[in-house]
Amino acid sequence: DADVTQTPRNRITKTGKRIMLECSQTKGHDRMYWYRQDPGLGLRLIYYSFDVKDINKGEISDGYSVSRQAQAKFSLSLESAIPNQTALYFCATSDFGEQFFGPGTRLTVL
Amino acid sequence: AQKVTQAQTEISVVEKEDVTLDCVYETRDTTYYLFWYKQPPSGELVFLIRRNSFDEQNEISGRYSWNFQKSTSSFNFTITASQVVDSAVYFCALRAMNTGFQKLVFGTGTRLLVSP
Repeated sequence: DADVTQTPRNRITKTGKRIMLECSQTKGHDRMYWYRQDPGLGLRLIYYSFDVKDINKGEISDGYSVSRQAQAKFSLSLESAIPNQTALYFCATSDFGEQFFGPGTRLTVL
Repeated sequence: AQKVTQAQTEISVVEKEDVTLDCVYETRDTTYYLFWYKQPPSGELVFLIRRNSFDEQNEISGRYSWNFQKSTSSFNFTITASQVVDSAVYFCALRAMNTGFQKLVFGTGTRLLVSP
């Protein structure tokens, strides 16, 4: 089984809908992250969490919210999706070294 | 501020050619980590290597090698005898350790196309 899983893997939704992307990990890491990837822009950090009670905004948090339900679970929500949130979203975990990424969720907002 | 520059947007080579992917970084921190990740067409991000700022030894892993030079703030990645399976987007990343949140800063990636 994969160490970092994301659901759903693909999602098409309409403008204005609420969407939740979920991430689970079995690596036992305290630190979890959400990134989005857009063509030509690399990966940009949306939110990060160092433990269940510590959640912080990244560089592009507007329009997003997160919930850290447990050490192993970190969800990303789009309260009212808009087309420019169409992107590939990655969850990642780490201890003090490299980050390990989930398989990604491809989100399309029409 | 931290910054990673991958000036090569796309590189095309023929199988068995050697290819070098460039990475230049900027940081004022004296302690930092550098990383390379591979993103194949399937989309996942695969960790390749981590190097800390105190270890300038080059590393070789099979057909892959990495050249870390602090004097030029570069951490270049060479694939020897490239194969079609090497076709992917490769990201270089930096994590500075001295100040604040030690976030991972990515370059914009280099797309490598290896044709048969």
